[in-house]
Amino acid sequence: KNEVEQSPQNLTAQEGEFITINCSYSVGISALHWLQQHPGGGIVSLFMLSSGKKKHGRLIATINIQEKHSSLHITASHPRDSAVYICAVRGSGATNKLIFGTGTLLAVQP
Amino acid sequence: SQTIHQWPATLVQPVGSPLSLECTVEGTSNPNLYWYRQAAGRGLQLLFYSVGIGQISSEVPQNLSASRPQDRQFILSSKKLLLSDSGFYLCAWEQDRGAYEQYFGPGTRLTVT
Repeated sequence: KNEVEQSPQNLTAQEGEFITINCSYSVGISALHWLQQHPGGGIVSLFMLSSGKKKHGRLIATINIQEKHSSLHITASHPRDSAVYICAVRGSGATNKLIFGTGTLLAVQP
Repeated sequence: SQTIHQWPATLVQPVGSPLSLECTVEGTSNPNLYWYRQAAGRGLQLLFYSVGIGQISSEVPQNLSASRPQDRQFILSSKKLLLSDSGFYLCAWEQDRGAYEQYFGPGTRLTVT
């Protein structure tokens, strides 16, 4: 079992829909990251959070440390949101490296 | 502002040939540097990380190696490529471990034929 699990693996939505992507992890963490990877391959950091909730534009990220779960929400989705969304956790151990989920492929259709 | 460069952007190499991928960071000093590989349909896998010049930690035993000859330069190498080395290679940097975001380069798509 992977230390970081994302669901769903694939998601197709119609423009304007509210989208939720989930991330569960099984290790102790110091922070959780949400990343966006566009078809060309480049990766952009969306959020880094260790508690509560963060909002940037139409994107909202929440984390529940007790339940070891995070969600990424996209409101009023748009075709330009189509990308792979990756959850990654920073371990709280000595190595402190990032552990990545396998990503959620989102396609927003006009 | 900080920027991270990788080259080449794409590469097609025959099995058994050598490899050298380069990553450089501008606008910061003493960054932590990382090499990741993303195989088709799989998550990012950490290959190497470096906290300083000449300091390399390997995460996954394989036929790849890494070097950091200068503070802001990170090189990924192989003496003989395998088919299984095909993938998307990403370099990343962060200013300090634990509390900071990682910033990714544009990546190199390697196809071993």
